[in-house]
Amino acid sequence: GQNIDQPTEMTATEGAIVQINCTYQTSGFNGLFWYQQHAGEAPTFLSYNVLDGLEEKGRFSSFLSRSKGYSYLLLKELQMKDSASYLCAVMDSNYQLIWGAGTKLIIKP
Amino acid sequence: GAVVSQHPSRVICKSGTSVKIECRSLDFQATTMFWYRQFPKKSLMLMATSNEGSKATYEQGVEKDKFLINHASLTLSTLTVTSAHPEDSSFYICSARQGEAEAFFGQGTRLTVV
Repeated sequence: GQNIDQPTEMTATEGAIVQINCTYQTSGFNGLFWYQQHAGEAPTFLSYNVLDGLEEKGRFSSFLSRSKGYSYLLLKELQMKDSASYLCAVMDSNYQLIWGAGTKLIIKP
Repeated sequence: GAVVSQHPSRVICKSGTSVKIECRSLDFQATTMFWYRQFPKKSLMLMATSNEGSKATYEQGVEKDKFLINHASLTLSTLTVTSAHPEDSSFYICSARQGEAEAFFGQGTRLTVV
């Protein structure tokens, strides 16, 4: 079957670095997406990886290893506003999005 | 977690015809449903937000008459692409939530207009 795994919840300190992992098993692969979602709001796009390696966008970076079925989202210089849920989603060979359950990130002062 | 079912998963239609996509919440009452469009390798674009029993709120630039959204019950919302054209070919995704709880996503519908 198809499966996306990511931790349910993580806690980090303001100013620190946190890495949110995502592992997947899907029928085919057409890219992996990371989204940020604040409570009660629509999700916002953070990154897209389709090739192996690291994509950096300011304080956020996303890494992909297709052979390992693994990705991570790295958040640096954490700010209180980064408290949100982070969703990992994989597009399979049928162009269906398989969603992870999301990781709730709690930032403490 | 909660389940949101979207149907069909893929559809091919002729230019000029209309296509209806359904989004159902299977184990909770979806007071709010969101419809998104996603192009390959790009972000989700929020098209509209619908609350049960009221008219949908469309995002700027989304044609209301072309993308008809109906949210007539607490478990079902539909998106109808009217008079579809090849440029409407895309991946459409819905999400649903109950009250202020987190939203859950459907698996998406790949629309191809030929």
